Amino acid sequence: QKEVEQNSGPLSVPEGAIASLNCTYSDRGSQSFFWYRQYSGKSPELIMFIYSNGDKEDGRFTAQLNKASQYVSLLIRDSQPSDSATYLCAVNPGGKLQFGAGTQVVVTP
Amino acid sequence: ETGVTQTPRHLVMGMTNKKSLKCEQHLGHNAMYWYKQSAKKPLELMFVYNFKEQTENNSVPSRFSPECPNSSHLFLHLHTLQPEDSALYLCASSQDRAQETQYFGPGTRLLVL
Repeated sequence: QKEVEQNSGPLSVPEGAIASLNCTYSDRGSQSFFWYRQYSGKSPELIMFIYSNGDKEDGRFTAQLNKASQYVSLLIRDSQPSDSATYLCAVNPGGKLQFGAGTQVVVTP
Repeated sequence: ETGVTQTPRHLVMGMTNKKSLKCEQHLGHNAMYWYKQSAKKPLELMFVYNFKEQTENNSVPSRFSPECPNSSHLFLHLHTLQPEDSALYLCASSQDRAQETQYFGPGTRLLVL
């Protein structure tokens, strides 16, 4: 079983719609969770981090964490073509970050 | 810009060559990392340095040799690589080992022929 799992996509989202990305993790001891955005040919860029159960909002992005169910999600509201990228989920079970393989998002005009 | 720079940005080398990748961070961080990113695979952590001391080596082959002369600089020395080592090599830094928020450099795209 992969330690951090994401649907590879591509996730096709109409412009202006909400993109919903999910991530599940295997280590129940994980305490911190991160979402990175990676444009093709570029390096990962931190979007958000979340430590507590519930929602955390930052602009058009909302991270949702449910430790009991071991998943973390990212919502992108009012999706724009510039949001087209691969989104990496990262989880810290203690000591080091573990990354998922990423979900590719394609926002269509 | 994230404050983490890497050179070169692209590198083509033969299997018998020796080359080095360089990373520099301008963020005042104390922890630095090397990652390997291959197509469609998760980022693979290779090495971790905290306050110039290597704290992690994730079973990386000896043909990859890291060096951290100070908290701002990190090198990855390469020799006798294999074609399967072709990948994007990313450097990252964080405030310290306990601070997991990591900031990435632009990466070096490596092709081994």
